[in-house]
Amino acid sequence: AQSVTQPDIHITVSEGASLELRCNYSYGATPYLFWYVQSPGQGLQLLLKYFSGDTLVQGIKGFEAEFKRSQSSFNLRKPSVHWSDAAEYFCAVGAHGDYKLSFGAGTTVTVRA
Amino acid sequence: EAGVAQSPRYKIIEKRQSVAFWCNPISGHATLYWYQQILGQGPKLLIQFQNNGVVDDSQLPKDRFSAERLKGVDSTLKIQPAKLEDSAVYLCASSPTGQPLPEQYFGPGTRLTVT
Repeated sequence: AQSVTQPDIHITVSEGASLELRCNYSYGATPYLFWYVQSPGQGLQLLLKYFSGDTLVQGIKGFEAEFKRSQSSFNLRKPSVHWSDAAEYFCAVGAHGDYKLSFGAGTTVTVRA
Repeated sequence: EAGVAQSPRYKIIEKRQSVAFWCNPISGHATLYWYQQILGQGPKLLIQFQNNGVVDDSQLPKDRFSAERLKGVDSTLKIQPAKLEDSAVYLCASSPTGQPLPEQYFGPGTRLTVT
């Protein structure tokens, strides 16, 4: 069965600074990887996904993520954060032919002025 | 395109009472999911429907939780009787069919507090 670990529970970053959120997955075959964002009182919104091909994936809102098979990682990055990026971020892994997603516990991002 | 609708948004009940949540997926989406999100944790899949049928309910506590999807569209999730540990946000999501793995679209969730 697949699983996801997000090592950082909470990250505080200054507005305009760069952001990197870590995600490590466990899965025997090639995983399908996702990053979702959840703002307070909202549902989850897909930021980006990786299925195959180019290991650097571009998403919405200026986010990107890099798949590194050797490290079983799929870290999310943004070069310059905005106050509106304050939210909770979830990494998820899925498998081909199985629509079920396994989510990490999430990382809460606080943006200070 | 309208998103996934859920109601109610908030519910407070006492333990041992029953509660029901409703979900209307995006039109045309064959697959519907119910997730439970406990504070401080990621969403956990409770049940997955493909049209009318259940695909996966392995993590649904069937002694107290039930779900149905009538006519392959709307779905309801019921808890009877509720326990304190059922306090969570219940998220509904839907996705179209397709490979390799279609995107899931999430509703705003129902926040349940059991006292």
